[in-house]
Amino acid sequence: DARVTQTPRHKVTEMGQEVTMRCQPILGHNTVFWYRQTMMQGLELLAYFRNRAPLDDSGMPKDRFSAEMPDATLATLKIQPSEPRDSAVYFCASGLSYNEQFFGPGTRLTVL
Amino acid sequence: GNSVTQMEGPVTLSEEAFLTINCTYTATGYPSLFWYVQYPGEGLQLLLKATKADDKGSNKGFEATYRKETTSFHLEKGSVQVSDSAVYFCALTNTGFQKLVFGTGTRLLVSP
Repeated sequence: DARVTQTPRHKVTEMGQEVTMRCQPILGHNTVFWYRQTMMQGLELLAYFRNRAPLDDSGMPKDRFSAEMPDATLATLKIQPSEPRDSAVYFCASGLSYNEQFFGPGTRLTVL
Repeated sequence: GNSVTQMEGPVTLSEEAFLTINCTYTATGYPSLFWYVQYPGEGLQLLLKATKADDKGSNKGFEATYRKETTSFHLEKGSVQVSDSAVYFCALTNTGFQKLVFGTGTRLLVSP
């Protein structure tokens, strides 16, 4: 049963520290998305990639967030430096062009 | 721009009651419409979808019909179960793109 995996599932860190979240998309999927979910803002699209190339990262604070796909099996989202307002659940999703997105279980980030 | 509006929650029902969760959208072109469900502590899962006007998506007893004339995609189920308790998200993607625009989500609570 193919699934999107995310690590870590939970992360607690202190303000100013670097945070890296990882996502393994479903093998063969060519599109990867990063979302952030908070009670106040709901689900926000941060960035997405097609065939490993960034297509849209307009939802991401550029000064502290970065997203990459070093290879087809790994997507990373990095926050440096982290701030308390970054506390949220971060979801990765993958899919094939023009088809549904499959979501991972999320990384719950708490920045103290 | 594209947007999705969902009814505020929570929606509280007794088991075997009829469910309706309203969803309306604003979009250019010919969007595809989706309902995703999020169970506690998990990522989103696709529940059903419709890709053109008058299409009906259905899955697990849930149904939604793509109504272009009213720009709506209301979710219905004839008899809810306790296990249906979750947050339901209406979403759209525009023709040729996979970038999803989500509503704010509606929490459903079903009591025995």
